[in-house]
Amino acid sequence: DSGVTQTPKHLITATGQRVTLRCSPRSGDLSVYWYQQSLDQGLQFLIQYYNGEERAKGNILERFSAQQFPDLHSELNLSSLELGDSALYFCASSVGPSGGYEQYFGPGTRLTVT
Amino acid sequence: GESVGLHLPTLSVQEGDNSIINCAYSNSASDYFIWYKQESGKGPQFIIDIRSNMDKRQGQRVTVLLNKTVKHLSLQIAATQPGDSAVYFCAESGNAGGTSYGKLTFGQGTILTVHP
Repeated sequence: DSGVTQTPKHLITATGQRVTLRCSPRSGDLSVYWYQQSLDQGLQFLIQYYNGEERAKGNILERFSAQQFPDLHSELNLSSLELGDSALYFCASSVGPSGGYEQYFGPGTRLTVT
Repeated sequence: GESVGLHLPTLSVQEGDNSIINCAYSNSASDYFIWYKQESGKGPQFIIDIRSNMDKRQGQRVTVLLNKTVKHLSLQIAATQPGDSAVYFCAESGNAGGTSYGKLTFGQGTILTVHP
């Protein structure tokens, strides 16, 4: 158990809908990262927050957004869902804002868009 | 853009053998490297990391070697066990314009199968 929690574990929804994925980092970690894992793209970085502020952005679609709240939990919002958004979404956390800190991954949310 | 790639997508070994998983990276500014293990239905699990000022680091049954000259990373697993069967990913984070970023760039992964 990494100490990172994610809910829900599974999510099935229809195209055009909007969903919210939730992540709670390990106790003491200030950075939260979101990654997408799909069969054709592998593990891809989406976005990072550090202590409530956006720190880095990857190949995140405009239909996707995220935030980190004062209690440090984070939410990833996916809207206007398409079939191609079906994937595993992982949250990771680390102590520091930059490279060189171990990132611990949660169990993931499996999103299926039908 | 920068990428981290693996030489071999699959590796099959016998229980008790030593395993070596290789990884090539393209970003010469990378300064932190991590190996992750991912079992089916689970998130990536941290195995071992190494910083660019080192060329070798050892853990319990695992050793990571870094060759910055050829931009190559390897993970050695001693006395491989059936429980080691999983997908192994290398990942790197690095600098851009002098700023260190925490985002990880992952390789495609190697499937390790250990036969009893």
